[in-house]
Amino acid sequence: GENVEQHPSTLSVQEGDSAVIKCTYSDSASNYFPWYKQELGKRPQLIIDIRSNVGEKKDQRIAVTLNKTAKHFSLHITETQPEDSAVYFCAPSNDYKLSFGAGTTVTVRA
Amino acid sequence: DSGVTQTPKHLITATGQRVTLRCSPRSGDLSVYWYQQSLDQGLQFLIQYYNGEERAKGNILERFSAQQFPDLHSELNLSSLELGDSALYFCASSTRTSQAGELFFGEGSRLTVL
Repeated sequence: GENVEQHPSTLSVQEGDSAVIKCTYSDSASNYFPWYKQELGKRPQLIIDIRSNVGEKKDQRIAVTLNKTAKHFSLHITETQPEDSAVYFCAPSNDYKLSFGAGTTVTVRA
Repeated sequence: DSGVTQTPKHLITATGQRVTLRCSPRSGDLSVYWYQQSLDQGLQFLIQYYNGEERAKGNILERFSAQQFPDLHSELNLSSLELGDSALYFCASSTRTSQAGELFFGEGSRLTVL
C-alpha cells in the first residue's frame, strides 16, 4: 500500500517567518497532491493542490512544489500569521486510492 | 460551510452498543467517504461509496458497516462498540468517482464510548 510520511511532525515558527512541510510518498501512480488544513476542533479543508503535470503552484502566501522523480511534494507558507496555526495534512492520491499523511502541527508564535 | 451535513454532532454511548452516523453530501456530489480521526491521530480512511455502490475500502472493522442510499445520503453503522472506537468520524463528499480530487468534509460526529 501507499506509504506517506510527513516531516516535520511539529513546527513552531515566529510570526512573519516561513514554514515548509515535506510529504514523501511511495506510490508512483499518484497523480494528485493536495494539502489540507485542519484548525483545532474543525473539519479539514483543502488549501492548495497540484496535479502531476505541474511542478509548482502558488496561491498568495501558500505554494506547493512537486518532485515526482523523488516522490515528494512540499507545502510552503510565507509571512506566517497566527491564523496559520493548525494541523496540515498531505494526501497523495490516484484514481483508486488516497492516503493522508499523519499531519504536521504548525504553531505560529506572536 | 462545506455543504456536507453530518448528524449527530456529538454522541455518548456505552460499550457494546450500536450507533448510526448520518451524512448528507453536497448537492450533486455522488461520492461519499468516511474517515475516523482518533485523538492526536491522522485521518484513517474507512470506506467510499459512489452513487450507491461501494467503491473503495480502507481499514474498516468488521463491526462497522456503511451504505449509501438512492438519495445519496450515507450512514455509518458502528456496532459492539469498544472504548477504542471513541473518535471523530468525518464524512466527505466529492463530485468525482476517483479519489484524485478535492474532498469536502462535514463538521464530523464525535463519538464517545464509555
